[in-house]
Amino acid sequence: AQKVTQAQTEISVVEKEDVTLDCVYETRDTTYYLFWYKQPPSGELVFLIRRNSFDEQNEISGRYSWNFQKSTSSFNFTITASQVVDSAVYFCALSESTDYKLSFGAGTTVTVRA
Amino acid sequence: DVKVTQSSRYLVKRTGEKVFLECVQDMDHENMFWYRQDPGLGLRLIYFSYDVKMKEKGDIPEGYSVSREKKERFSLILESASTNQTSMYLCASSSYSTKNIQYFGAGTRLSVL
Repeated sequence: AQKVTQAQTEISVVEKEDVTLDCVYETRDTTYYLFWYKQPPSGELVFLIRRNSFDEQNEISGRYSWNFQKSTSSFNFTITASQVVDSAVYFCALSESTDYKLSFGAGTTVTVRA
Repeated sequence: DVKVTQSSRYLVKRTGEKVFLECVQDMDHENMFWYRQDPGLGLRLIYFSYDVKMKEKGDIPEGYSVSREKKERFSLILESASTNQTSMYLCASSSYSTKNIQYFGAGTRLSVL
């Protein structure tokens, strides 16, 4: 069985603050993939990042960064210097190597106030 | 760019009606998926398909069926709509070459009255 937990339901910040979204996962597989998606108010999920279980190197893309720690089964996402356009629902997801399905967390709603 | 198109953004149906939700992708992807999204529950997989005329049940298939007669089109069917099927429905596609990355349509918000 696989499971993804996003404990934060909603986060509200003021523009330019940093915000970190937590994601904790469970899997028995040694090979798996982790994802983050963004769902803006328009509704379409937008792919942000994919990370495989053998690559624990943290990644930075502009104002976005991801911290993958196998020891704590976490794949956290940080938005630095948040902007109003970052307001969205963010989903963490997991798939196992033998499967093309994704298991999604419940999502975290981020509201950035001007 | 990958494009996944869902035929309707908003749909209102009556209880007992047969409802068809259509999804088309233009990237020749092998895999297609239907999810429903409800507040606090995230996305839950209803059905998926790895090839034409092939379908597999997801986590919540009850009350739904699917059809995939062509590679680019994956239809979700509510045989007899009920009020508890009021939800946002999302279609996605992926390919072996996209390494499990799923690309999503804009969603269909279905209300069953």
